Amino acid sequence: ILNVEQSPQSLHVQEGDSTNFTCSFPSSNFYALHWYRWETAKSPEALFVMTLNGDEKKKGRISATLNTKEGYSYLYIKGSQPEDSATYLCASPNSGYSTLTFGKGTMLLVSP
Amino acid sequence: GAGVSQSPSNKVTEKGKDVELRCDPISGHTALYWYRQSLGQGLEFLIYFQGNSAPDKSGLPSDRFSAERTGGSVSTLTIQRTQQEDSAVYLCASSLGTGANQPQHFGDGTRLSIL
Repeated sequence: ILNVEQSPQSLHVQEGDSTNFTCSFPSSNFYALHWYRWETAKSPEALFVMTLNGDEKKKGRISATLNTKEGYSYLYIKGSQPEDSATYLCASPNSGYSTLTFGKGTMLLVSP
Repeated sequence: GAGVSQSPSNKVTEKGKDVELRCDPISGHTALYWYRQSLGQGLEFLIYFQGNSAPDKSGLPSDRFSAERTGGSVSTLTIQRTQQEDSAVYLCASSLGTGANQPQHFGDGTRLSIL
């Protein structure tokens, strides 16, 4: 079982602030790193799947970077909006197939 | 198209009863996963199906838990003789294939409460 850790556990920012959170994972036997957004009363939604060291992916105001050598990924949100409020989960596969080990998430609250 | 569908959305039952949770994956998705999230915990893997077979059942917490998938589509997760520690949100996900780079598509979950 992998050890996937996320920090901070929770974050409260004002509308318009930019923010970032961290996901750390074992750097050995790396296969992929997934980011999901889980809004209250909804289902988790895939944001990014990253596989290459140094990769950067972007979706609107959200972007993510990956460092497989040191075992971390950052998720950035530029100009946070209240609708960005959600729990952000990262996960890594245990092997070459896709059973995922999830971190406990970072709960983001964006106040108007 | 339709997403992953789970039923019931909420289930309250007495300790000792059996419960059955259903998952209808996205059409054409060969891989299906069950996870649960207990209070204060992260998402915990339970079981994974490729087609109708389950290559990885390592996450099932006890022999009271079982799951099956028929026709490469619908899956049911059964919990026998429920205990209070089984209270959790049970999530089902499906993916087009089984590679590590395949994003998973989740249902809304079943919130199970054991009295």
